[in-house]
Amino acid sequence: NAGVTQTPKFQVLKTGQSMTLQCAQDMNHNSMYWYRQDPGMGLRLIYYSASEGTTDKGEVPNGYNVSRLNKREFSLRLESAAPSQTSVYFCASRRDVGTGELFFGEGSRLTVL
Amino acid sequence: QKEVEQNSGPLSVPEGAIASLNCTYSDRGSQSFFWYRQYSGKSPELIMFIYSNGDKEDGRFTAQLNKASQYVSLLIRDSQPSDSATYLCAVMITGGGNKLTFGTGTQLKVEL
Repeated sequence: NAGVTQTPKFQVLKTGQSMTLQCAQDMNHNSMYWYRQDPGMGLRLIYYSASEGTTDKGEVPNGYNVSRLNKREFSLRLESAAPSQTSVYFCASRRDVGTGELFFGEGSRLTVL
Repeated sequence: QKEVEQNSGPLSVPEGAIASLNCTYSDRGSQSFFWYRQYSGKSPELIMFIYSNGDKEDGRFTAQLNKASQYVSLLIRDSQPSDSATYLCAVMITGGGNKLTFGTGTQLKVEL
């Protein structure tokens, strides 16, 4: 059972370049999330999707766009990368019943030069 | 005011002692509360969740929730060096579209 899979795991970009972080889950969860984590800042919510076809802004959405392609996949796009977007990005999906816990991917470390 | 606040630490406790981690939240509509553990370079993993006022125990871990005072805490009994990690408090607001907000985390160091 793969759980939540993120790609790529590492990426180096130059300022102004664009890229898409891919995320897929195989647990049939409705809700999916993108967080970024910076030293001393905890996890900050970028965008989330409560169900297929819906997306909502989180705390720090500026400079990002998302697509909920289908129930399994939720991608995060940086249209014009900036050094301030250097971070570790985590995708997560949420168990719909029971605990409601989040299951996280392994993270994607992005460096913008 | 941040939605979820934690002391960043580090909190240092000797092996075998009780570690007490605290979290406060600002939105009284908060309904679900979670504690995640994150080892350096790894993804967060769920330790405890609590929905009702009072205590919830699971092995060496106890979560405590006080909605009137808007705080949630995590107690770790008989702390082990393997408990050394960052502990993240997370809060979900009822009707918030399943939005889960995290605190900045508290770094715990268990010393031999």
